[in-house]
Amino acid sequence: EVQLVESGGGLVQPGGSLRLSCAASGFTFTTYWMSWVRQAPGKGLEWLANIKQDGTEKYYVDSVKGRFTISRDNAKNSLYLQMNSLRVEDTAVYYCTRVRVPDAMSNWFDPWGQGTLVTVSS
Amino acid sequence: SSELTQDPAVSVALGQTVRITCQGDSLRTYYASWYQQKPGQAPILVIYGRNSRPSGIPDRFSGSSSGNTASLTITGAQAEDEADYYCNSRDSSGNHWVFGGGTKLTVL
Repeated sequence: EVQLVESGGGLVQPGGSLRLSCAASGFTFTTYWMSWVRQAPGKGLEWLANIKQDGTEKYYVDSVKGRFTISRDNAKNSLYLQMNSLRVEDTAVYYCTRVRVPDAMSNWFDPWGQGTLVTVSS
Repeated sequence: SSELTQDPAVSVALGQTVRITCQGDSLRTYYASWYQQKPGQAPILVIYGRNSRPSGIPDRFSGSSSGNTASLTITGAQAEDEADYYCNSRDSSGNHWVFGGGTKLTVL
């Protein structure tokens, strides 16, 4: 069974840091792009970052560029999101998801983890 | 433009057909994918590519696209289809991805 399990969320003060992890199982992790998506309370989904299979390409939404870093450890089948300089508006559920990009016109996220809640508050 | 626009809310009578739309310039180049999210749950993929359904998604769900608009159609909506639906695609750069604001579907 393909499974993604996030961890590392919690309460952090503004300006603080947090590192999220995502453990992947049930598929060949090294052959997929991976992504982080978040959802603020009562709000919609926001794509945050993608990382290529070998980690050589990374892309970020402007709102987190320079503050968040996506990375992966293929030996551990794990995806990470290092979050620095956290702001109140970063409060959200953070999802790890596998990316499919079979051709130049198509892409989708499947499956998704259950999410981990990050609360930024003083 | 890097935005995808969805109607905030749509309702449908039980057993009827409903179309949820997603508009954006990037949809002229890229297919949209569609996600269903029920309260307290993670999103699940319901439509991807030109019009493909993952295993386990009922065939009452279908997708289509024309110009800058992608559509998710539910033919014969069921009570369990009541949920938030999000479209997603790449932006015009091809390297950044974006979600629509989501559509809350109510089944009456």
